[in-house]
Amino acid sequence: QLQLQESGPGLAKPSETLSLTCSVSGGSISTTNFYWAWIRQPPGKGLEWIGSIYDTETTYYSPSLQSRVTISVDTSTNQFSLKVTSVTAADTAVYYCAKASITGTTRYFDSWGPGTLVTVSS
Amino acid sequence: QSVLTQPPSVSAAPGQKVTISCSGSSSNIGTKYVSWYQQLPGTAPKLLIYDNYKRPSGIPDRFSGSKSGTSATLAITGLQTGDEADYYCGTWDSSLRALVIFGGGTKLTVL
Repeated sequence: QLQLQESGPGLAKPSETLSLTCSVSGGSISTTNFYWAWIRQPPGKGLEWIGSIYDTETTYYSPSLQSRVTISVDTSTNQFSLKVTSVTAADTAVYYCAKASITGTTRYFDSWGPGTLVTVSS
Repeated sequence: QSVLTQPPSVSAAPGQKVTISCSGSSSNIGTKYVSWYQQLPGTAPKLLIYDNYKRPSGIPDRFSGSKSGTSATLAITGLQTGDEADYYCGTWDSSLRALVIFGGGTKLTVL
């Protein structure tokens, strides 16, 4: 059974870069047709899709975050990562990594990590 | 403001049935599959329903999904106190560049 676990600093300073890693176990991150995603949830608010990576190199980003976000895969460690540059307090959220099933007609997230809270504060 | 509209809250008594709606448009729910997620307090979301009505392994048949036109509905029968959670619908929109969009979420209170 696939398991995902986020890791990274719980605190980031304004204007700096937020970096998180998702470790995948129980399956290969290189599996064909698997999409890997980052989703965040500000305190007390709803879910926001940040971006996804497919086939280890094809990326898709939320239009509202595209200029500040990078998602990449490290097949040697079975991990994928998220970087968000120039963070502000509005980036304070619980960040989840997830595996997505995406085809021409359907898109859903069927495995999630437990999430990690990142606070942006000086 | 999400393009998918859910009621902020619903409530019902244990043992009763409750429905949660997710309203969209022809560019999203009207032509795309819908998924539903349950988020228990302090935990990560969990997939409840995908492809409008399919349940992943391990999800009890008390949870069911349906879609009609540009709206989708999650129904929960035989309510239990453990069902108290936030519920989110999800899909995608052919007029947006986002791969996935979520509804604003509905807080279910089991009275």
